[in-house]
Amino acid sequence: EVYLVESGGGLVQPGRSLRLSCAASGFRFDDYAMHWVRQAPGKGLEWVSCISWNSNNIDYADSVKGRFTISRDDAKNSLYLQMNSLRAEDTALYYCAKDFFLYGPGSLPDSWGQGTLVTVSS
Amino acid sequence: QSALTQPRSVSGSPGQSVTVSCTGTSSDVGGYNYVSWYQQHPDKAPKLMIYDVSKRPSGVPDRFSGSKSGNTASLTISGLQAEDEADYYCCSYADTTLFGVGTKLTVL
Repeated sequence: EVYLVESGGGLVQPGRSLRLSCAASGFRFDDYAMHWVRQAPGKGLEWVSCISWNSNNIDYADSVKGRFTISRDDAKNSLYLQMNSLRAEDTALYYCAKDFFLYGPGSLPDSWGQGTLVTVSS
Repeated sequence: QSALTQPRSVSGSPGQSVTVSCTGTSSDVGGYNYVSWYQQHPDKAPKLMIYDVSKRPSGVPDRFSGSKSGNTASLTISGLQAEDEADYYCCSYADTTLFGVGTKLTVL
């Protein structure tokens, strides 16, 4: 069974940084692309970023491009999201998700974690 | 890119069928057969219900079906059950991954 556990969320001031982590188990982590998807309180889903299985393809939503960096450590079965220059509108529950397709570039979030809450406020 | 357009809410009685629409453009929904649907219960993570417009992942009941016509995709739930009450999101994953605004399904 796929198991994804996000961590690293919390309360942070505008302009500061935060690093999210996602620990994966139950599948061959290095065979799948991974995603970050966020959901503001009471709002809908917003795709944030994805990284392909071999890290050759990385993509970001326009809303976070230049501020967020996705990375992965296959030796640790872990996914990361470095978030810089945080804004109030980045406040959301951040989900880590495995891609559906084996060896894909990263397109379709499949199994999701339970999320970690990021609150950006002074 | 703007979120895909969905009705804010739909409703139906147990046993009935309901359809949720998802409208995009020729650059996303209309241009490729890369549309998926997610179900999200309150305070739970989303669950993939449909991918590639009409395919069901293992374990998803065949009461859930998907289709597409032009720039609009649809999710149909037949034989509505109480546990189907949830938020439903469409997603286009062609050039980039883009979600719909979400539809709240109420089972009357």
